[in-house]
Amino acid sequence: GAVVSQHPSRVICKSGTSVKIECRSLDFQATTMFWYRQFPKQSLMLMATSNEGSKATYEQGVEKDKFLINHASLTLSTLTVTSAHPEDSSFYICSALRTGAYGYTFGSGTRLTVV
Amino acid sequence: ILNVEQSPQSLHVQEGDSTNFTCSFPSSNFYALHWYRWETAKSPEALFVMTLNGDEKKKGRISATLNTKEGYSYLYIKGSQPEDSATYLCALTGNQFYFGTGTSLTVIP
Repeated sequence: GAVVSQHPSRVICKSGTSVKIECRSLDFQATTMFWYRQFPKQSLMLMATSNEGSKATYEQGVEKDKFLINHASLTLSTLTVTSAHPEDSSFYICSALRTGAYGYTFGSGTRLTVV
Repeated sequence: ILNVEQSPQSLHVQEGDSTNFTCSFPSSNFYALHWYRWETAKSPEALFVMTLNGDEKKKGRISATLNTKEGYSYLYIKGSQPEDSATYLCALTGNQFYFGTGTSLTVIP
């Protein structure tokens, strides 16, 4: 079945540094990928939609300059959290749309802790 | 990678019918199971988080049960309404999230 690989699974960084999270579709091409954020005991919050070769579409309230999304190829989308602060600590999860009847596949998430 | 399976993949029911679907997962290393209601390109809405074997949770017409020993959870919708049409996702969580592929529900008026 379709697999989306997300790395790293866990990262701890210092406040003020940047962290890059990768989301790869391993056995299919994903023209569209989605990035979510999960706060403890809350729903997944859609942050942005990335389309291969074009600028990402951000949801209202999500700072595009802080959460940089790049979808340079059909199998890779990256989310960079710039100048991270402790309040950015969260689970970040990606999902990819596989065209046809396959639907969406989710990555396994990245737990970011900013200290 | 933990294999979380959902069945059926899609479901069409008439308004007023009750329905249920399944989330299956490895029974070892269980930590918590989440159910989400999701409309495409929106944020998945958390329905339930279940941690204990035998847990039963209810929210309006929607309820869920959990059997960690045999590795499954059922989601029930009583008296389905068109607004219940969505994809229902389950996810097994521990250090990471392991999502099922979802059950797409369409309620026909």
